[in-house]
Amino acid sequence: DGGITQSPKYLFRKEGQNVTLSCEQNLNHDAMYWYRQDPGQGLRLIYYSQIVNDFQKGDIAEGYSVSREKKESFPLTVTSAQKNPTAFYLCASQWQKNTEAFFGQGTRLTVV
Amino acid sequence: GENVEQHPSTLSVQEGDSAVIKCTYSDSASNYFPWYKQELGKRPQLIIDIRSNVGEKKDQRIAVTLNKTAKHFSLHITETQPEDSAVYFCAATNNAGNMLTFGGGTRLMVKP
Repeated sequence: DGGITQSPKYLFRKEGQNVTLSCEQNLNHDAMYWYRQDPGQGLRLIYYSQIVNDFQKGDIAEGYSVSREKKESFPLTVTSAQKNPTAFYLCASQWQKNTEAFFGQGTRLTVV
Repeated sequence: GENVEQHPSTLSVQEGDSAVIKCTYSDSASNYFPWYKQELGKRPQLIIDIRSNVGEKKDQRIAVTLNKTAKHFSLHITETQPEDSAVYFCAATNNAGNMLTFGGGTRLMVKP
């Protein structure tokens, strides 16, 4: 199923709670990305990582954190500091720069 | 950083007509420009891409053109079909090729 898996598909969070979204890939890709998609809008970059143990902030990193301890995994934590976390979150991976990025199926996060 | 603008945000065409979606980018050093199609509730998938050393690329009913001087690129879909209905995103990578920035998306509706 594309080799990149996000879980869970749907996630509900109470205000003030941190939640972690999982992203795993078995494509042996070096680069991984997290994007946020709001209804009717484009994809905005949250964080990206080009190599294990290294990651960079994207355009909207505030209120989010990531780790890259393994090549296959790039989890995203949505912290309580993120004021409007309800959105669709997409993870992507890329073999090398300037090549196709493959997306996971996404996680829809809702704050209740 | 890179800024990608995409127009129009919605496009409605009759089946069999052509559709054109345009994007501009800000970083003159960008050198990779992919286009993604996202069907409702699904992940974005690459449909075509172009690199800066090429002015045009075609794949069956889909073509992409790039004007580096003007910093804009366009997606052309000919003989549109109802299954072409989706949201289309353009994107551009930075010079290092390690950061992919997306446009705001175009919702294409093909009327039978």
